[in-house]
Amino acid sequence: EADIYQTPRYLVIGTGKKITLECSQTMGHDKMYWYQQDPGMELHLIHYSYGVNSTEKGDLSSESTVSRIRTEHFPLTLESARPSHTSQYLCASSESQGAWETQYFGPGTRLLVL
Amino acid sequence: AQSVTQLDSQVPVFEEAPVELRCNYSSSVSVYLFWYVQYPNQGLQLLLKYLSGSTLVKGINGFEAEFNKSQTSFHLRKPSVHISDTAEYFCAVISNAGGTSYGKLTFGQGTILTVHP
Repeated sequence: EADIYQTPRYLVIGTGKKITLECSQTMGHDKMYWYQQDPGMELHLIHYSYGVNSTEKGDLSSESTVSRIRTEHFPLTLESARPSHTSQYLCASSESQGAWETQYFGPGTRLLVL
Repeated sequence: AQSVTQLDSQVPVFEEAPVELRCNYSSSVSVYLFWYVQYPNQGLQLLLKYLSGSTLVKGINGFEAEFNKSQTSFHLRKPSVHISDTAEYFCAVISNAGGTSYGKLTFGQGTILTVHP
C-alpha cells in the first residue's frame, strides 16, 4: 500500500478564502504531481515537481500554486477560492528513474467552494 | 500529444460474468500504458501496466489487458467479476520518448463498472 497522504479529505469553504491542500509521501519519491478530477471526467495534470525547488505547470491551466521545499511535502494553495475551483484534487508521487515508474496516488481532497 | 478514449462510460454486469473495458489511445510517439482503479472515496491504484515485451499483461485481482499496437488499443478484461470489482477504471498513457510530455500521465475519462448480484 502506498504511503501518500492528503489532508483534508473534504473541505467546504466560502468564496475568497485562501486554502492549502496538503500532500505528503513517505516513500522518498522525487517526482510528485497534482491532478484535478471533475465528476465523470478524466484526471488532468495541473502541477508537477521533479524534486526539491522544482515545480512546473501541467497541461490544465490552474490558478493554484505549489511549492516543494521538502522532498516529502507538496502543498497546493489557492489564494482566493472560487466556485469554479470546486473539484477533487489528487496528489501522486513516483520514483524518478523513468516514465515507466508507477504513480502512487493519495485518497484525494474533495473541495466545495460556495 | 497523446489522448486516451475509453469507449464506455458505464458498464453494468452480473457477478461471475466476464467483462471487457475498452481503451483506445493516440500518440505520435511510443508510450507506456496503464490501467488504474478507483474505489469509492479512495485514490487511484495501479492494476497493471504495459512497458514492453508480451502484449498480454496480467495485473492484480485477476485482471489482464492486451496491447494491440496496430489498433492502438489496450482493453482490460476479467473472466469472472465479483461485487468487489465495482469501481471506476481509468486507462492512461505516458510518453517514453522524451519531450514535453515525458513523465506526464494522460488519462481517459473513466469507465464505471457496476457488478450486480
